[in-house]
Amino acid sequence: AQKVTQAQTEISVVEKEDVTLDCVYETRDTTYYLFWYKQPPSGELVFLIRRNSFDEQNEISGRYSWNFQKSTSSFNFTITASQVVDSAVYFCALSALTQGGSEKLVFGKGMKLTVNP
Amino acid sequence: KAGVTQTPRYLIKTRGQQVTLSCSPISGHRSVSWYQQTPGQGLQFLFEYFSETQRNKGNFPGRFSGRQFSNSRSEMNVSTLELGDSALYLCASSLTGRIVLAYEQYFGPGTRLTVT
Repeated sequence: AQKVTQAQTEISVVEKEDVTLDCVYETRDTTYYLFWYKQPPSGELVFLIRRNSFDEQNEISGRYSWNFQKSTSSFNFTITASQVVDSAVYFCALSALTQGGSEKLVFGKGMKLTVNP
Repeated sequence: KAGVTQTPRYLIKTRGQQVTLSCSPISGHRSVSWYQQTPGQGLQFLFEYFSETQRNKGNFPGRFSGRQFSNSRSEMNVSTLELGDSALYLCASSLTGRIVLAYEQYFGPGTRLTVT
């Protein structure tokens, strides 16, 4: 069965520090997608990035960067020069094939990031 | 384009009652998935509907059910509520529900259910 592990449950940093959120996944599917979502206190899941299993290129978007390594089944997320507005719960997720022919998302337990001024 | 809307946003119910939550997907989206979020279990898949048919169901008891209407709006129902059903219920809509075809899932703000 598919599984996503976010070993860190909570991190607290001071503004402008860099922070890396770890994500390790398990799947037997040959084609899958990995995601990162941000959940602010309002509750809505905000999509950050999607990466498919055939694309191991790292990606940078502003202060955010992602490192996908298939060899270690990891998809880590780094926030550079963190800001107070980055405070939220971050979820890593993996798409999983279901018997119905579509996919569901399997989420990690989430990591609460607090950025202090 | 309007986003995914969920009603109500907050709900308080008593053990043993039943509850119905509603989700209106983005216009044109035919797939609606439901997830339960609790502090202990995290985010777990409940079920997915596509064109009024339930395609997939997660590992939840039969007290949890849902349906989808012809306009793609979906409802989920929980009967005989238990304290452990207290959670944030999120719905997500997508064009087809085929994630690996890169069809994006968009999440609603959730309904926070408290069972007392």
